[in-house]
Amino acid sequence: DTAVSQTPKYLVTQMGNDKSIKCEQNLGHDTMYWYKQDSKKFLKIMFSYNNKELIINETVPNRFSPKSPDKAHLNLHINSLELGDSAVYFCASSQRMAGRWADTQYFGPGTRLTVL
Amino acid sequence: SQQGEEDPQALSIQEGENATMNCSYKTSINNLQWYRQNSGRGLVHLILIRSNEREKHSGRLRVTLDTSKKSSSLLITASRAADTASYFCATALSGGYNKLIFGAGTRLAVHP
Repeated sequence: DTAVSQTPKYLVTQMGNDKSIKCEQNLGHDTMYWYKQDSKKFLKIMFSYNNKELIINETVPNRFSPKSPDKAHLNLHINSLELGDSAVYFCASSQRMAGRWADTQYFGPGTRLTVL
Repeated sequence: SQQGEEDPQALSIQEGENATMNCSYKTSINNLQWYRQNSGRGLVHLILIRSNEREKHSGRLRVTLDTSKKSSSLLITASRAADTASYFCATALSGGYNKLIFGAGTRLAVHP
């Protein structure tokens, strides 16, 4: 009963291809996130959705497009993949409580993307 | 944007010893959180300390926060081989949308 799940776990693809990563959480949370972890283990937020509304959109190339069909799902589509997109992508979720934003986030296992 | 910095980058100790990791940040925060990442896995939340708190305990973990120095420390007492992992501090900015800014992490190796 994985709380935050991602598919696929590994993704190997050629430069220029388009690919998607899917994320689902069964915690009933209202907020979901995408993070990118580079080869030096530095973790940086990319996007966040609250109740299907985009609330955080960091300086990310517009080749990256998140989509939240419902509160439990947040997908990440990447167009025209580049070598520099190789990284581990983590999905996370959290629940806003009593009007307070800053709370614990629960992370998925990650998707290791390798662009050749 | 603000970024936490952790120190040391790597730490190697024997089982039973204590491990201390430090984190510094640059701007006002709502809270500071510590996460653990085992090799090839996702991050697991360990402990959250709010800006108006100075110390917090959870099992063998002790976290301190000094907002005047913009720093925090994580102490793991009586370490075990299973504590081997990377540890990250993450700051949630005041007034932000639960946007966490992560440090580069400390790699802890606990030897039996």
